[in-house]
Amino acid sequence: DGGITQSPKYLFRKEGQNVTLSCEQNLNHDAMYWYRQDPGQGLRLIYYSQIVNDFQKGDIAEGYSVSREKKESFPLTVTSAQKNPTAFYLCASSTRGPTGAATQYFGPGTRLTVL
Amino acid sequence: AQKVTQAQTEISVVEKEDVTLDCVYETRDTTYYLFWYKQPPSGELVFLIRRNSFDEQNEISGRYSWNFQKSTSSFNFTITASQVVDSAVYFCALSLPGRGGSEKLVFGKGMKLTVNP
Repeated sequence: DGGITQSPKYLFRKEGQNVTLSCEQNLNHDAMYWYRQDPGQGLRLIYYSQIVNDFQKGDIAEGYSVSREKKESFPLTVTSAQKNPTAFYLCASSTRGPTGAATQYFGPGTRLTVL
Repeated sequence: AQKVTQAQTEISVVEKEDVTLDCVYETRDTTYYLFWYKQPPSGELVFLIRRNSFDEQNEISGRYSWNFQKSTSSFNFTITASQVVDSAVYFCALSLPGRGGSEKLVFGKGMKLTVNP
């Protein structure tokens, strides 16, 4: 079954702790993305990666870090520098189709709560 | 800069009613892509449709239809004969061509649809 998996589904963190959210895809997609969703809001881009060992900041990268050591994996670390980390985090991946457009497919999400 | 506006934040209908979700976008680029995603209560975003800026044909897929009008920068989504399973948050999004198969999506704030039995 091809798809995107995220773990854990729910995550609780104490203030001052770093936590890492996992994202894995077996779709053979080149690009991967991390979004943050707050209640009643759309999704905002945190980081994205077009190829292995390369990634770019999105609109709200402060307080977050990523790595892309393997094509299938794009973990996101929420650091203690992120002042308001409680949110729903969604990972996505995409590859360019025959028409030149890329469609992003999403994982099930991780809900992070800071206690 | 790109922007997507979903003016309706929440709609409640009774089953079998038709409902239209509005989406207005802003971009100065001539090549762009428009998307609709569905987010059920489980949280995962489900891809529904992608439209290229050079293809203004309307599309119908079962009970779903999309009306793309470049003249008004709108990409509206209609659900015919709504069902309870259609209850979800619906997002409209816009992207521009990017390098290597990656394109950043700009999302609207979403519209929560509740279909009551």
